[in-house]
Amino acid sequence: SQQGEEDPQALSIQEGENATMNCSYKTSINNLQWYRQNSGRGLVHLILIRSNEREKHSGRLRVTLDTSKKSSSLLITASRAADTASYFCATVRPAGGTSYGKLTFGQGTILTVHP
Amino acid sequence: KAGVTQTPRYLIKTRGQQVTLSCSPISGHRSVSWYQQTPGQGLQFLFEYFSETQRNKGNFPGRFSGRQFSNSRSEMNVSTLELGDSALYLCASSLDRGRDGNEQFFGPGTRLTVL
Repeated sequence: SQQGEEDPQALSIQEGENATMNCSYKTSINNLQWYRQNSGRGLVHLILIRSNEREKHSGRLRVTLDTSKKSSSLLITASRAADTASYFCATVRPAGGTSYGKLTFGQGTILTVHP
Repeated sequence: KAGVTQTPRYLIKTRGQQVTLSCSPISGHRSVSWYQQTPGQGLQFLFEYFSETQRNKGNFPGRFSGRQFSNSRSEMNVSTLELGDSALYLCASSLDRGRDGNEQFFGPGTRLTVL
């Protein structure tokens, strides 16, 4: 079963605008990761934020994590047509047998950036 | 460094048949995870292997099995195929640096269609 929800399910914006996607999860986590998937292909890792971190940046990406609300957001600034893809958050449970190698994904947000 | 490779990329089978999918991880990565992606259920964790041992397993029936070889290459097998097994099967490898969950590197996937 999915760990949580992502919203919006779909987002359509113009090039140059910012895109914000939100993710909520249900259980305690070790870290939360964001991935991008282009058109039914493999996933590409974007950024990892640990449970003791609140914000992280990577290029045009900014991720926040609020463990008290069990939520995270991904901000893509100055979006480009090439950012068009599905974006997934994925959580990793605290260390232990049930966490090995297991990412628990949200349902994803489909982002469309119009040139 | 070469990425994660999966073979075959596309597969068409009929109900009742069995199928074997192959995954070659990034050199040096010893952890290999498998995921199933469908429009209805999203991305779901199948199992994870490390040093030829299955360390974690998702909630899938026993028809789904896997193994890992001494060179870290992994295979997954689905027996007695059902229509609902039609999906994109993704393999991911990681360094598995210890307690913390690591970023995973995904292959392009195998698209399985069951007729």
